[in-house]
Amino acid sequence: AQKVTQAQTEISVVEKEDVTLDCVYETRDTTYYLFWYKQPPSGELVFLIRRNSFDEQNEISGRYSWNFQKSTSSFNFTITASQVVDSAVYFCALSDNQAGTALIFGKGTTLSVSS
Amino acid sequence: DTGVSQNPRHKITKRGQNVTFRCDPISEHNRLYWYRQTLGQGPEFLTYFQNEAQLEKSRLLSDRFSAERPKGSFSTLEIQRTEQGDSAMYLCASSSGQGAYYGYTFGSGTRLTVV
Repeated sequence: AQKVTQAQTEISVVEKEDVTLDCVYETRDTTYYLFWYKQPPSGELVFLIRRNSFDEQNEISGRYSWNFQKSTSSFNFTITASQVVDSAVYFCALSDNQAGTALIFGKGTTLSVSS
Repeated sequence: DTGVSQNPRHKITKRGQNVTFRCDPISEHNRLYWYRQTLGQGPEFLTYFQNEAQLEKSRLLSDRFSAERPKGSFSTLEIQRTEQGDSAMYLCASSSGQGAYYGYTFGSGTRLTVV
């Protein structure tokens, strides 16, 4: 069965610290997509990144970077030099053929960045 | 294009009452999804439309829940005889094609509280 595990429930850091959010997934499919979403207090889910299973290149976008490792079924997200505006709940999600059109979300990690 | 719009933003209802939520997707998106998010959890898939056809339903969608998408534009989600366990955030998303490939755009959600 498909599953996404975000073991860190809450993380608190001070501004300018680097922080890594962990995501481990389970799927039997060879073709799948992984996502990260940010959910600020306003509630909407903001898309951050999508990665397909055939592209293991790490990606950097400004202060954000993602480390995809198929060998360990992990898709971790690092925020460099965190800012107060990064405070939100972050979700990792999986989409594969078994899930059909559905996204399978983890339980989320709440990140609190203090000044 | 103002994104995915959901109304109302908040709804408080008494147990046993019926409620209806509305989702207006991005106009050119032919696919529409409903998710439910309870406190401390990630969103869970409820149902999916391609144009006006409801193509997938999760087992989470009990007989008290019904969704429609007349004319393939906006969608409504109705909950009959609400129960306290229905209290959650109901999120709508849309996509222009297969969501995993083209990406999903989420609305801000409707927060339902059943008292």
